[in-house]
Amino acid sequence: QVTLRESGPALVKPTQTLTLTCTFSGFSLSTSGMCVSWIRQPPGKALEWLARIDWDDDKYYSTSLKTRLTISKDTSKNQVVLTMTNMDPVDTATYYCARETVTINDYWGQGTLVTVSS
Amino acid sequence: DIQMTQSPSSLSASVGDRVTITCRASQSISSYLNWYQQKAGKAPKLLIYVASSLQSGVPSRFSGSGSGTDFTLTISSLQPEDFATYYCQQSYSTPRTFGGGTKVEIK
Repeated sequence: QVTLRESGPALVKPTQTLTLTCTFSGFSLSTSGMCVSWIRQPPGKALEWLARIDWDDDKYYSTSLKTRLTISKDTSKNQVVLTMTNMDPVDTATYYCARETVTINDYWGQGTLVTVSS
Repeated sequence: DIQMTQSPSSLSASVGDRVTITCRASQSISSYLNWYQQKAGKAPKLLIYVASSLQSGVPSRFSGSGSGTDFTLTISSLQPEDFATYYCQQSYSTPRTFGGGTKVEIK
């Protein structure tokens, strides 16, 4: 079955770079049409789409955050990595990775809470 | 970017009520509209995709309709397990965008 799991630091300091890893199973990112997205949700607020990487290594980013985000994949390890630079307290959120296929996010990880504080 | 606007932002309803949530896109997105349900502390769950297709395993009391810019999620008879927050998402173009959410609370 398809599973995804996010991992990374629970706490980062302002101005630091956040690195999150999504480890997945049950599908391959080398299969045509498969994609992995990152989505975040500040406490008590709405979902915000951040980035996506496709099977063919195409990458897409949030317009407002694109200067701070980098997404990459390691197909052999079934992992997708998201880095976000210059972290700020407003970036405190639960970060989710999700599979996207045929335009839908059909499987999601459980999410990881990242707090930005000095 | 395509802006997604949901209404209402919250509603109170009773078990057995018919509930309707609307989502409007800032430009035409054809039928590329998905609905997700999120319960407290949990990841979102896909309910409806391409406006009206029911995801496998989702109860038939959930339905979606619309095309172009205006969409609706309907719960025909609200059940206790349906109290949650609902989000629409456009998948017509990247970057993908979500609506602000609709919280369905117990009356």
